[in-house]
Amino acid sequence: EPEVTQTPSHQVTQMGQEVILRCVPISNHLYFYWYRQILGQKVEFLVSFYNNEISEKSEIFDDQFSVERPDGSNFTLKIRSTKLEDSAMYFCASSDGGRINSPLHFGNGTRLTVT
Amino acid sequence: DAKTTQPPSMDCAEGRAANLPCNHSTISGNEYVYWYRQIHSQGPQYIIHGLKNNETNEMASLIITEDRKSSTLILPHATLRDTAVYYCIVSRSNDYKLSFGAGTTVTVRA
Repeated sequence: EPEVTQTPSHQVTQMGQEVILRCVPISNHLYFYWYRQILGQKVEFLVSFYNNEISEKSEIFDDQFSVERPDGSNFTLKIRSTKLEDSAMYFCASSDGGRINSPLHFGNGTRLTVT
Repeated sequence: DAKTTQPPSMDCAEGRAANLPCNHSTISGNEYVYWYRQIHSQGPQYIIHGLKNNETNEMASLIITEDRKSSTLILPHATLRDTAVYYCIVSRSNDYKLSFGAGTTVTVRA
């Protein structure tokens, strides 16, 4: 079964550094998402992306965050200047949107540790 | 989106059915009930969804009450691999931001 893949599985960075988290969604999917989960807390929506633009974003997704689909296969989340509180699991998801209520398929996440 | 209420935890014996309740008393007419689960350290996994009719797939069954104010997810024959946090989510569409609550931590015991 096709799956969403995320790299790296674990990223350690210093506060103030830029990080790019990478995702390869399922190939025929059209809708892309980023969620995050701080250790011990709930899964939180960050942003949704469709037709090469952001369709919705949460209050967490401030100017430090950006998303991009640089080619036909990758979907990236960039954090410009990381803060300690950005430490979390970041999950990418995609759906095909071809029928109403197509399920979201999540990757297994990138654990970001900001020191 | 309507708020959901789930028990924080439940145990289930391996091989038995697991019945996971969810209350969503403020659900509106165009909102669906979705169930996802998260096995430790993995991304959430879609299980099933429904609007008002009962639904069944290869993973589970979803029973929605007639007034749609509550639902039950049924895992017919729980296995140890079903140990996970199960989330009941109400949303207008799956192609939309999903609001994950704390879910129910289900532990399947041998």
